[in-house]
Amino acid sequence: GESVGLHLPTLSVQEGDNSIINCAYSNSASDYFIWYKQESGKGPQFIIDIRSNMDKRQGQRVTVLLNKTVKHLSLQIAATQPGDSAVYFCAEEPGDSGAGSYQLTFGKGTKLSVIP
Amino acid sequence: NAGVTQTPKFQVLKTGQSMTLQCAQDMNHNSMYWYRQDPGMGLRLIYYSASEGTTDKGEVPNGYNVSRLNKREFSLRLESAAPSQTSVYFCASSEWDISTDTQYFGPGTRLTVL
Repeated sequence: GESVGLHLPTLSVQEGDNSIINCAYSNSASDYFIWYKQESGKGPQFIIDIRSNMDKRQGQRVTVLLNKTVKHLSLQIAATQPGDSAVYFCAEEPGDSGAGSYQLTFGKGTKLSVIP
Repeated sequence: NAGVTQTPKFQVLKTGQSMTLQCAQDMNHNSMYWYRQDPGMGLRLIYYSASEGTTDKGEVPNGYNVSRLNKREFSLRLESAAPSQTSVYFCASSEWDISTDTQYFGPGTRLTVL
């Protein structure tokens, strides 16, 4: 999972296996969460989002799980492919920030390496 | 539909020089943002513009100024560059609705200040 520090946590998975990337968020008032993928030399790319009134949301090959009790968010990638190699990070938005994502707080990321 | 575009892609400055980073979005979003990304620090908000005509400071505004030129364009200016401003700069835009509030990012500008 994500952590503070100069070195990103790294997850290595075999091609075809499922990947699970974890994120512990800090604000119990956060009600909107986003997962981003960032490939080397590129900008963050939106993957999937979830609001706090849900505990699971599925996209294409990706699933986000939200556990508000322990303030934990996870991203599951099915049948991981070499193109999934990137840094993944979560972002949270406080529920009291009103309309607008001005107060998004970003995690520092987990590096996913896919072994062919 | 190009999304969010940024220019330049790379820039090298000497200490004390000035420059403006340009950002444009074609998604008709109201809100735009400037971030910097440093190793181990994640994305930090420099300035944002909630809507055309407004700008506000983020977490790390010192040494920067911004201009929301129109709904599409949001520029970031370094008046007197310092080595501490060596970073990758990302512009983003968003449009709130009841189901989503996602920020969409540009490709970044890699700035080195010598």
